[in-house]
Amino acid sequence: QVQLVQSGAEVKKPGASVKVSCKASGYTFTSYGISWVRQAPGQGLEWMGWISAYNGNTNYAQKLQGRVTMTTDTSTSTAYMELRSLRSDDTAVYYCARDEWEPRPGLFDYWGQGTLVTVSS
Amino acid sequence: DVVMTQSPLSLPVTLGQPASISCRSSQSLVHSDGNTYLNWFQQRPGQSPRRLIYKVSNRDSGVPDRFSGSGSGTDFTLKISRVEAEDVGVYYCMQGTHWPLLTFGGGTKVEIK
Repeated sequence: QVQLVQSGAEVKKPGASVKVSCKASGYTFTSYGISWVRQAPGQGLEWMGWISAYNGNTNYAQKLQGRVTMTTDTSTSTAYMELRSLRSDDTAVYYCARDEWEPRPGLFDYWGQGTLVTVSS
Repeated sequence: DVVMTQSPLSLPVTLGQPASISCRSSQSLVHSDGNTYLNWFQQRPGQSPRRLIYKVSNRDSGVPDRFSGSGSGTDFTLKISRVEAEDVGVYYCMQGTHWPLLTFGGGTKVEIK
């Protein structure tokens, strides 16, 4: 069965960086992509960006351009999302979701369990 | 960006009664390939989102048939024919047509009266 298992909760200070992992199993990792979505406390869902596990191509939400980097390690079927220069409003639960391998309308058919990132001094 | 507007924000429903959630987009969601990429997600309390419906009206595997999606163009609806206790949570619509400008609706909270 398809599973996306994310890394554990993180607490970071403003200005620091965080790197969240998402390990996939139960399907051919390189036949799909991964999108990252975040949810601030009590708020809705915000798409952060996408990476193709097939060729490493990425596309990031404009508001995060320059602060976010998404990568994959195909040898371990793991996707990573790094967010830099953290601010208090980056406090959120971060989710990975399975997506298309090519740049086209998203799948979002399987989701990770979420990783809480808290930014606080 | 395409703005997705859901209503109502909160939906108290009696068990066994129907529920309906509206999602309107600021632009047509008909893709150049002819498909309409409008998904619905359910997020139960403390859980990750779960996709219920894709491309307007296609139910995902394992989703009870009391859930149905309909609509076209800019106007879409998620219906629950008879609400059960396990349906409590927040429901989100999401458009993928205008990739990479993916956007979610603000969510509708379904609760039991």
